Amino acid sequence: GAVVSQHPSRVICKSGTSVKIECRSLDFQATTMFWYRQFPKQSLMLMATSNEGSKATYEQGVEKDKFLINHASLTLSTLTVTSAHPEDSSFYICSASGDSGGYEQYFGPGTRLTVT
Amino acid sequence: DQQVKQNSPSLSVQEGRISILNCDYTNSMFDYFLWYKKYPAEGPTFLISISSIKDKNEDGRFTVFLNKSAKHLSLHIVPSQPGDSAVYFCAARFGNQFYFGTGTSLTVIP
Repeated sequence: GAVVSQHPSRVICKSGTSVKIECRSLDFQATTMFWYRQFPKQSLMLMATSNEGSKATYEQGVEKDKFLINHASLTLSTLTVTSAHPEDSSFYICSASGDSGGYEQYFGPGTRLTVT
Repeated sequence: DQQVKQNSPSLSVQEGRISILNCDYTNSMFDYFLWYKKYPAEGPTFLISISSIKDKNEDGRFTVFLNKSAKHLSLHIVPSQPGDSAVYFCAARFGNQFYFGTGTSLTVIP
């Protein structure tokens, strides 16, 4: 089955620094990747949708200059949290969708970011 | 390899009847299971969860059943309503990580 990995699984950084999270589709080509942020009470918020080779589409309220998304290849997307603040501490999940055009999304295991 | 599997890509149910969505997993160390509901162009939203120490959790029209020996969980929706039409993802937690299934698209026919 399709596998999506995220790296790192956990990261602690100091306020003001930048952190990069990688999302990789290991055995399929992901034409579309999604980045989510998990809030308390378990709901996931879609942050942005990225298609390979084009700019990401950000959801309303998500700062594109703060959360930089790059989808340079069909197997890799990165999320960079720039000038991190403690309120950016959260669980970030990516998912990937292939060429089927269907609804299937393969989720990564998530990255726990803690900003001190 | 997928540790959480939803083998039925789609399901159609008549309004008022029961919808049963299934999920299988391989890792016996999972300690918490969740179901998410997702509408098109939106992120998944949490629906219901169950701890590995329980075998049933009910919330209104939604009930989740966990069979640890079979490594199987299911979500029952009764009665089904047209607004329930969405994609449903099951997820399992191990430590600090979540593993999601690929989703089942539910269509409730009025």
